[in-house]
Amino acid sequence: GENVEQHPSTLSVQEGDSAVIKCTYSDSASNYFPWYKQELGKRPQLIIDIRSNVGEKKDQRIAVTLNKTAKHFSLHITETQPEDSAVYFCALHAPYRGSTLGRLYFGRGTQLTVWP
Amino acid sequence: EADIYQTPRYLVIGTGKKITLECSQTMGHDKMYWYQQDPGMELHLIHYSYGVNSTEKGDLSSESTVSRIRTEHFPLTLESARPSHTSQYLCASSGDRTSPLHFGNGTRLTVT
Repeated sequence: GENVEQHPSTLSVQEGDSAVIKCTYSDSASNYFPWYKQELGKRPQLIIDIRSNVGEKKDQRIAVTLNKTAKHFSLHITETQPEDSAVYFCALHAPYRGSTLGRLYFGRGTQLTVWP
Repeated sequence: EADIYQTPRYLVIGTGKKITLECSQTMGHDKMYWYQQDPGMELHLIHYSYGVNSTEKGDLSSESTVSRIRTEHFPLTLESARPSHTSQYLCASSGDRTSPLHFGNGTRLTVT
C-alpha cells in the first residue's frame, strides 16, 4: 500500500508565527489530499483539501500546496493562535491500479502546540 | 441533523467477551470506515465498505469482522476481546472516493 510520510511529528510555535507541516508520498496516481485537525478528546475534522489538478488552495489562515512532480503536499497555517493547537493529519486517496476504487492513507500526525 | 453516530461511547469488558460496536450515519453516504486510534496517535484502518454487501479489510482486520446490510449501518464485531484491543474506535463515512471523511465521536473500549 501507499506510505505517507508526515513531518515533523511535533511542532511548537509562538502565537502569531507560521507553522508548516509536510507530507510526502510515492503513488503518482494519488488524486485527493485532505488535511484533518483533531483537538484533544474530539473527532478528526476536515480543515482543507486539494485535488490533483490544483497546485494551491487557501482558506483564510490555512493553505495547502501540492507538488505532484516531487510528490509532496504541505499545510501552512499563518498567524497561529492557541486554538490551533491540535494534532494534524495529512491523508491522500490512492486508487487501486486499473480501478476507480481505492482508499485513504493517513500520515502519522503532527502535534502542533501554539504558545501564547 | 445529518451526522454519524457511534454507540456506546465508553465500554469496559472482560477478556474473551464478544462485542459489537455500532455505527450509523444519516447522510446517505455509500462509503464507511472503521479506524482504531490511541489518543492523539495515528489512525489505523480496520475495515471499510464501498456500499451495501461490500466489505474490505484494512491494515488491522484480522481480529474483527464487519457487515454492511444497510447503507446507514456498519457494525464492527470483536469475536474475543483482548487487552490489546483497548483503544478508541472511530467510524467514518464519505460520499465518494474523493470526498471528505466525516467521523463519529468514537467508542473508547477498555478490555480488562
